[in-house]
Amino acid sequence: QQQVKQSPQSLIVQKGGISIINCAYENTAFDYFPWYQQFPGKGPALLIAIRPDVSEKKEGRFTISFNKSAKQFSLHIMDSQPGDSATYFCAASRAGNNRKLIWGLGTSLAVNP
Amino acid sequence: ETGVTQTPRHLVMGMTNKKSLKCEQHLGHNAMYWYKQSAKKPLELMFVYSLEERVENNSVPSRFSPECPNSSHLFLHLHTLQPEDSALYLCASSQLATDTQYFGPGTRLTVL
Repeated sequence: QQQVKQSPQSLIVQKGGISIINCAYENTAFDYFPWYQQFPGKGPALLIAIRPDVSEKKEGRFTISFNKSAKQFSLHIMDSQPGDSATYFCAASRAGNNRKLIWGLGTSLAVNP
Repeated sequence: ETGVTQTPRHLVMGMTNKKSLKCEQHLGHNAMYWYKQSAKKPLELMFVYSLEERVENNSVPSRFSPECPNSSHLFLHLHTLQPEDSALYLCASSQLATDTQYFGPGTRLTVL
């Protein structure tokens, strides 16, 4: 049973376009929702994260939208650049339980020049 | 060195070999993690060490044996592995009671 479902599995976007990756979760106890970015040959790195008390968080070209009632959150990459080509993972965790992150399967993003 | 480092970056071993993966964090963190990353699967948390004590072992086979001699170092000892154990093994660290985990570049393991 996958607790965090991520889609799409892969995404191709033109330079300057908007990339949108979606995640849905099941456990209403989750209270922390990060997005990680992973380049080939590197480990995942935290990109941006949100907590359920806000519906949106923006950092530069990256925005998380959070819908608590629908139990969904999404990553929007505005003005996508070839350097954004990477694999993106959503995750979720809750207090206690060693703050264990529950991961989505990942989205491979390719931004064409 | 900065961040989280892992050695070796690539490892090929036979099923009867014994090898060890090493992780070192230079961030002053007090929690360390081993993950397994396989294609088309979510990241699998294997072990968690908090203040040098193992606090989580997610039903990992005994052929994987972790060791945390101090808060900066984490090892994963491997013996009699199976071909299905071939994967990218990632180490991460964090500060207890915070949410952000910092990952190393991983060790690409191939079991022949």
